[in-house]
Amino acid sequence: NAGVTQTPKFQVLKTGQSMTLQCAQDMNHEYMSWYRQDPGMGLRLIHYSVGAGITDQGEVPNGYNVSRSTTEDFPLRLLSAAPSQTSVYFCASRTLGGKLFFGEGSRLTVL
Amino acid sequence: AQSVTQLGSHVSVSEGALVLLRCNYSSSVPPYLFWYVQYPNQGLQLLLKYTTGATLVKGINGFEAEFKKSETSFHLTKPSAHMSDAAEYFCALSNFGNEKLTFGTGTRLTIIP
Repeated sequence: NAGVTQTPKFQVLKTGQSMTLQCAQDMNHEYMSWYRQDPGMGLRLIHYSVGAGITDQGEVPNGYNVSRSTTEDFPLRLLSAAPSQTSVYFCASRTLGGKLFFGEGSRLTVL
Repeated sequence: AQSVTQLGSHVSVSEGALVLLRCNYSSSVPPYLFWYVQYPNQGLQLLLKYTTGATLVKGINGFEAEFKKSETSFHLTKPSAHMSDAAEYFCALSNFGNEKLTFGTGTRLTIIP
């Protein structure tokens, strides 16, 4: 009963390094999304996808890339990490119009 | 543009007392409204949602919320707080045909024994 799986759970990067946060879901959901959560700011949408091959920008897309080659996977890439990207990242998925299922989060620190 | 405002970033209630978490929204089209709960070091879980129809929505764990269009509000209530209700609660909004979910800044609920 995996649901939405995010890896890694914790990561420390140096400024300028790149990395990929992985997200996989086993519920055959069309919609997947990435949020970042910062204190006092709630969750803000970074990128989302309504199906394989289709992605779009959310509220705070700068500094992040995504791709959706399969229904199951939706990786988030940080191209050149900055301290402002220190945050907790959540991946979520659902059928169109349905209930969102969240992963457990990935805590990223950029030094 | 749409937005969600949660009044009170921290709310404390005594065990057994009424829980009231406030949410107001702004939307130019009929909204879909949600309440999510986040326990420490976990992702968010859906408590309840309003799309159309009955304005009083019942969710899990004894929570309910009422959609009031005239007040642009969707406040979350529970008649009697339990220690296990301590968590952070997020109100969120979307619209038909718009898959993006806009979240409020969250309200941390503390239960006093």
